[in-house]
Amino acid sequence: GAVVSQHPSRVICKSGTSVKIECRSLDFQATTMFWYRQFPKQSLMLMATSNEGSKATYEQGVEKDKFLINHASLTLSTLTVTSAHPEDSSFYICSASGQVNEKLFFGSGTQLSVL
Amino acid sequence: DAKTTQPTSMDCAEGRAANLPCNHSTISGNEYVYWYRQIHSQGPQYIIHGLKNNETNEMASLIITEDRKSSTLILPHATLRDTAVYYCIVRVPYNTDKLIFGTGTRLQVFP
Repeated sequence: GAVVSQHPSRVICKSGTSVKIECRSLDFQATTMFWYRQFPKQSLMLMATSNEGSKATYEQGVEKDKFLINHASLTLSTLTVTSAHPEDSSFYICSASGQVNEKLFFGSGTQLSVL
Repeated sequence: DAKTTQPTSMDCAEGRAANLPCNHSTISGNEYVYWYRQIHSQGPQYIIHGLKNNETNEMASLIITEDRKSSTLILPHATLRDTAVYYCIVRVPYNTDKLIFGTGTRLQVFP
């Protein structure tokens, strides 16, 4: 069964607004969560690595002030897309890793559409 | 950069075995081979993983060459619902290092 829950599955927002996406590990403590972005017909692109209790590590080219990541607990990480624009429209996916989970499960993804 | 290379696409007839290859020539001694698949507009789904011995579960079989530089994922009786993009990844279990995806193989199962 699913051990990583991602919410919402789909969101439509107006340009300039902020959107928050949640990623929860359901039955294990996730010391690390990864956030990916995926454009149509392309592979997953890593945006950032989120460690519980510390600042996220962003990949080159990803704006940390635009994509705010918070990992305040061992079961929850959030990605906030601030001042969203149409070019931020994409499929966002999280995954979680923990000391007792060797399989690395993924969330079901969030389709963001910015009008 | 991704540590694996896979063919861009493959076709398979329904009911036949689908054999998906993956090259990972720079794999380290403590890295496992993981396979995931992604059906359209969903998150990647875990399929199977292994270190050096062949593995089998209810979804698939994994064959890893003796030198561990390549592997093959086998779906023994492909169905239309197996149409997806299949990703081969190498990683150390429990490790929290970032995971980079390659391009994957788009498998199309046809009737």
